[in-house]
Amino acid sequence: SAVISQKPSRDICQRGTSLTIQCQVDSQVTMMFWYRQQPGQSLTLIATANQGSEATYESGFVIDKFPISRPNLTFSTLTVSNMSPEDSSIYLCSVEEGRLAGGPEQYFGPGTRLTVT
Amino acid sequence: DAKTTQPPSMDCAEGRAANLPCNHSTISGNEYVYWYRQIHSQGPQYIIHGLKNNETNEMASLIITEDRKSSTLILPHATLRDTAVYYCIVHYGQNFVFGPGTRLSVLP
Repeated sequence: SAVISQKPSRDICQRGTSLTIQCQVDSQVTMMFWYRQQPGQSLTLIATANQGSEATYESGFVIDKFPISRPNLTFSTLTVSNMSPEDSSIYLCSVEEGRLAGGPEQYFGPGTRLTVT
Repeated sequence: DAKTTQPPSMDCAEGRAANLPCNHSTISGNEYVYWYRQIHSQGPQYIIHGLKNNETNEMASLIITEDRKSSTLILPHATLRDTAVYYCIVHYGQNFVFGPGTRLSVLP
């Protein structure tokens, strides 16, 4: 399975600032995803990031607030822009690996815990 | 919205089998059943998945009913480190949608 790392692991930021989260995978993958997990909640998909194309955002998430880069098949960044305390969450990167037989498997990074004051 | 329903919480004695149920009555023919778990706000960990046959790996067994409308994840000998939130997801071709999951507490 893919090994995924994220930087930073956690940060405390002031409102109005922006934070860029990096996601690095140890193998080439086509599909990468960014999720948000608000305190005490389940995971919510923010966007799908495929190399060579614009990210596809889910309802309620917009590019101006969460710009995403996907420069190659092993790396992606998510920026949380103009932060407010409501953006305090864990942000998770994940990748999907297909299988010749059986459904695809999705693997998750360790997450970035963001606190906005 | 998640296409699955799970009990919000369960307890299990250490060393006993933990049986976590999941209902997915609207599952379509090409959708797989996946199980993940999340330990104390770490990234979710893949456990197992299946289509219609029962599956077993080093972590768990997955039992899917013949009509595929429900499934059970079995941890054969639960340990304290299995305490986590367990998510049941049905998926094919679209994004994984996480419901609230089942919070499993393994008790000493």
